[in-house]
Amino acid sequence: GDSVTQMEGPVTLSEEAFLTINCTYTATGYPSLFWYVQYPGEGLQLLLKATKADDKGSNKGFEATYRKETTSFHLEKGSVQVSDSAVYFCALRKGTGANNLFFGTGTRLTVIP
Amino acid sequence: DTAVSQTPKYLVTQMGNDKSIKCEQNLGHDTMYWYKQDSKKFLKIMFSYNNKELIINETVPNRFSPKSPDKAHLNLHINSLELGDSAVYFCASSPPPGENPGEPQHFGDGTRLSIL
Repeated sequence: GDSVTQMEGPVTLSEEAFLTINCTYTATGYPSLFWYVQYPGEGLQLLLKATKADDKGSNKGFEATYRKETTSFHLEKGSVQVSDSAVYFCALRKGTGANNLFFGTGTRLTVIP
Repeated sequence: DTAVSQTPKYLVTQMGNDKSIKCEQNLGHDTMYWYKQDSKKFLKIMFSYNNKELIINETVPNRFSPKSPDKAHLNLHINSLELGDSAVYFCASSPPPGENPGEPQHFGDGTRLSIL
């Protein structure tokens, strides 16, 4: 079945370090891919998305490229800040099926000064 | 304007009580969802309604009953609350399945339910 596998956390980085959070997916067809972010005490917010192969989503310095050949959508940021501390969820959405949105398990990122 | 709003934000109550959580969206979406997030941040879908009709009902105890009076509202009623019901419950909305898969789900801020 369709699923998303993302890197186990927690991840702890120093400010200005490079961030990668891995995400791979299994799906038939051509899903859309998303990264959501959940800041402490808040709901999930869309961070970025990509709807077809080779698309790059970007927002707030974060980027992810939809790689169909490796079925991946890894999240990267060149220089993290303390304010990036949050839980990050990779997700895929398909155009068919009643339950067509699948979330990864979430990766907690803590950035220390 | 808040797109998806849930009330209350915090709910502390005793075991055995019955409680409701309300959700409203002003995005004009046809589909709404309830998710449960446990202490490890794992998100699990509970229910989905499309235009007031139930389309997903995952393995959830029948103490949980969703009610959709119209397509902008999806409320969650919980009977006989148990300790294991303590979690954060999120409401979300989106266009219906099959329409624009590039459109993300929009989430409320969550309701933090604590059972004493």
